[in-house]
Amino acid sequence: SFELTQPPSVSVSPGQTARITCSGDTLPKQYAYWYQQKPGQAPVLLIYKDTERPSGIPERFSGSSSGTTVTLTISGVQAEDEADFYCQSADSSGTWVFGGGTKLTVL
Amino acid sequence: QVQLVQSGAELRKPGASVKVSCKGAGYTFPDYNIHWVRQAPGQGLEWMGWIDPNTGSTNSAQNFQDRFTMTRDTSITTAYMELNRLTSDDTAVYFCARLTYYANSRGGFDIWGQGTLVTV
Repeated sequence: SFELTQPPSVSVSPGQTARITCSGDTLPKQYAYWYQQKPGQAPVLLIYKDTERPSGIPERFSGSSSGTTVTLTISGVQAEDEADFYCQSADSSGTWVFGGGTKLTVL
Repeated sequence: QVQLVQSGAELRKPGASVKVSCKGAGYTFPDYNIHWVRQAPGQGLEWMGWIDPNTGSTNSAQNFQDRFTMTRDTSITTAYMELNRLTSDDTAVYFCARLTYYANSRGGFDIWGQGTLVTV
């Protein structure tokens, strides 16, 4: 199986830009997905296929990809964005993996 | 309204089994694979496996392959997961989620159940 590595925590002040990275050897070949999870709630899909945003997701959430690293960028961070964020990917056989998660703290 | 509704919380003793249901509504149930994901208290998300409701074929993570079973009943648009030989390490919230597609490519897990707490 493969692994995805995320930083455990990221802190940012309101209005600033937060960047959360996710690294994995399969990412150049497979798409990445991003989820936001608030306490006591199910995860919410934020980004699919590295850079695409589902309808209803605010434009301040964006995704990018470069080599073995994908990045979730949150522009103009708001207090309500404080949550856990997970990257995800799958291999060609249909095995899926989540990164370990990153706790975003809005200072 | 597109949704997945899971069964209620369960309490089991070590060595027992648990079966959790996940009912799809508001969409064509056979058209979307159902995945199972669990989250131990204070921990991250762990992918467990998926079932194709149309064919019944499954694929699961190596960690669970010998004690984890996924089934479905398309007549009542419900998927099930069963985990056997439970230990305290299996205490977690178990989620089902729908894998969507965009332009024939995997689009991620767009709909999630509310989660089912299993306590061992």
